[in-house]
Amino acid sequence: AQSVTQLGSHVSVSEGALVLLRCNYSSSVPPYLFWYVQYPNQGLQLLLKYTTGATLVKGINGFEAEFKKSETSFHLTKPSAHMSDAAEYFCAVSTNTGFQKLVFGTGTRLLVSP
Amino acid sequence: EPEVTQTPSHQVTQMGQEVILRCVPISNHLYFYWYRQILGQKVEFLVSFYNNEISEKSEIFDDQFSVERPDGSNFTLKIRSTKLEDSAMYFCASSENPTGHYGYTFGSGTRLTVV
Repeated sequence: AQSVTQLGSHVSVSEGALVLLRCNYSSSVPPYLFWYVQYPNQGLQLLLKYTTGATLVKGINGFEAEFKKSETSFHLTKPSAHMSDAAEYFCAVSTNTGFQKLVFGTGTRLLVSP
Repeated sequence: EPEVTQTPSHQVTQMGQEVILRCVPISNHLYFYWYRQILGQKVEFLVSFYNNEISEKSEIFDDQFSVERPDGSNFTLKIRSTKLEDSAMYFCASSENPTGHYGYTFGSGTRLTVV
């Protein structure tokens, strides 16, 4: 079974500062990893995903994440935070075998101050 | 860009009433899912559906829940007798591939409030 741990339920940054949201996963088989963003009262929007190939994945809105198998991590970063980045971010895992569901982490709320 | 459409966006119902949440998945997707998010908590898997059958369901998905693809385009979630603890945001999702290789597309959700 897969699981995801997101460290920090809330992360606060200043506008223009580096954003780092942490995600560690557990999977007995090669994982597929995802980051979703949820703006207030909205649905889940895919930011980026890792399935195979290059371990550094670039997504929308300037976000990127790096799959590190040795560390079982898939941390989300953005060099310079913008006010519009304030939202809830969810890391999720599935696998490449069979009919898979997404298993989500508990989410991290990103707060951006001027 | 193709979207997953969910209706209604909000629904308020009395405890014990039946509700049906509707979803229109992306047209060429064959794999369908329902998830729910209780306020302030993480997104939880309810059920996956393929070829007119449930593929997997979680322990949350008890006999009060059912899913159906009644007409080849809609994908519905029915809760037969709602309880207060069913209050949550319900998300429908669809995917082209069962492993999510191409990602899962989520709808904007239905906020269900049971009073």
